[in-house]
Amino acid sequence: AQKVTQAQTEISVVEKEDVTLDCVYETRDTTYYLFWYKQPPSGELVFLIRRNSFDEQNEISGRYSWNFQKSTSSFNFTITASQVVDSAVYFCALSEAYSGAGSYQLTFGKGTKLSVIP
Amino acid sequence: NAGVTQTPKFRVLKTGQSMTLLCAQDMNHEYMYWYRQDPGMGLRLIHYSVGEGTTAKGEVPDGYNVSRLKKQNFLLGLESAAPSQTSVYFCASSYNPQRSSYNEQFFGPGTRLTVL
Repeated sequence: AQKVTQAQTEISVVEKEDVTLDCVYETRDTTYYLFWYKQPPSGELVFLIRRNSFDEQNEISGRYSWNFQKSTSSFNFTITASQVVDSAVYFCALSEAYSGAGSYQLTFGKGTKLSVIP
Repeated sequence: NAGVTQTPKFRVLKTGQSMTLLCAQDMNHEYMYWYRQDPGMGLRLIHYSVGEGTTAKGEVPDGYNVSRLKKQNFLLGLESAAPSQTSVYFCASSYNPQRSSYNEQFFGPGTRLTVL
């Protein structure tokens, strides 16, 4: 069974600090997908990034970067020079290429609440 | 292009009442999902659909039914609401993950349901 662990329940940083959100996953599949979603205080879920299991290349998008390491089953997310608008709950999620009846359902971690203090 | 929309946004029910949540998407996605979000639990899959006319159970299906009569719509029904169904409900849709690597799920804005 697939599992996603986000060990950090809450993190507080001062604006302009860098912060890394940890995500560790478990899966028996060799083909799978990893995602990060952002849930701001308004409540909607915003897709940030998708990574498939064959692509370990790290990615940078503006102040956001992602570090995918299959050897440690981790997919960590770093925000550089954090801003107040980054305050949100961040979810890491896993989808196996074949999960049970083929739902490709997302298994979510419990989320990390990030508070950026001005 | 509205993406994924959900109605209603808020609802209060009394125990035993029934209701239907509507999800609509205009992205021509084959797959659609219903999740519930509870504090400290993340999101959990209730039911899903891989195409028009097909539905299947997810992780927490008890007390819910679904229907997908049209590709763009996915309905979630509560036949006899219970306080344990107080939650925020999210609908999501995606392309067929077996045919596309662009398989991220796009979520609606959520429905906040309270059962008294």
